[in-house]
Amino acid sequence: SQQGEEDPQALSIQEGENATMNCSYKTSINNLQWYRQNSGRGLVHLILIRSNEREKHSGRLRVTLDTSKKSSSLLITASRAADTASYFCATDASYNTDKLIFGTGTRLQVFP
Amino acid sequence: GAVVSQHPSWVICKSGTSVKIECRSLDFQATTMFWYRQFPKQSLMLMATSNEGSKATYEQGVEKDKFLINHASLTLSTLTVTSAHPEDSSFYICSADGTSGSGETQYFGPGTRLLVL
Repeated sequence: SQQGEEDPQALSIQEGENATMNCSYKTSINNLQWYRQNSGRGLVHLILIRSNEREKHSGRLRVTLDTSKKSSSLLITASRAADTASYFCATDASYNTDKLIFGTGTRLQVFP
Repeated sequence: GAVVSQHPSWVICKSGTSVKIECRSLDFQATTMFWYRQFPKQSLMLMATSNEGSKATYEQGVEKDKFLINHASLTLSTLTVTSAHPEDSSFYICSADGTSGSGETQYFGPGTRLLVL
């Protein structure tokens, strides 16, 4: 399977704390994306980082990419209860860049 | 921004019946749409790639006769789960590829929850 791995599988923190999620993938990529999914809902695109980029910011989100280690991290700073959701990384498939291969996901719980 | 809708949002059916799920791109045309399946507390697994005007491409292990896909127009793809069984109960999500065709601009629908009794 080409599916990426994410860790931790689950993360519980208090409001105001930072949350870090990691994603590892198996093949070379053109880009990596992070998505958020509220329970039982569709996906919301958060951020895309290209293979030639090392770090990207968007509001309270910070994404890093290390292509030598085939890994990425998503940092959410100053978390809020509303950040409670599952977070998935997704890479373009090496054999077909139109397709996305999703990681296993991290379930984040932020307590008020 | 680009919007993708799915209908129905949830469906309960008896074992042996067929269920059709629609995926529509509301404000853009999508040559390519994707269908995913997600079991509880698991990730999204790509089932098939739907191309307008041609046959869908199925991922390994996905039965094309079980999951019929029709992409009849640039704004509509349908997934029909034929002779559904309880093990087909899942959350089905579609996405539509924006005009770039690079996979960078996939817009996801809200999902359809299927429960087969």
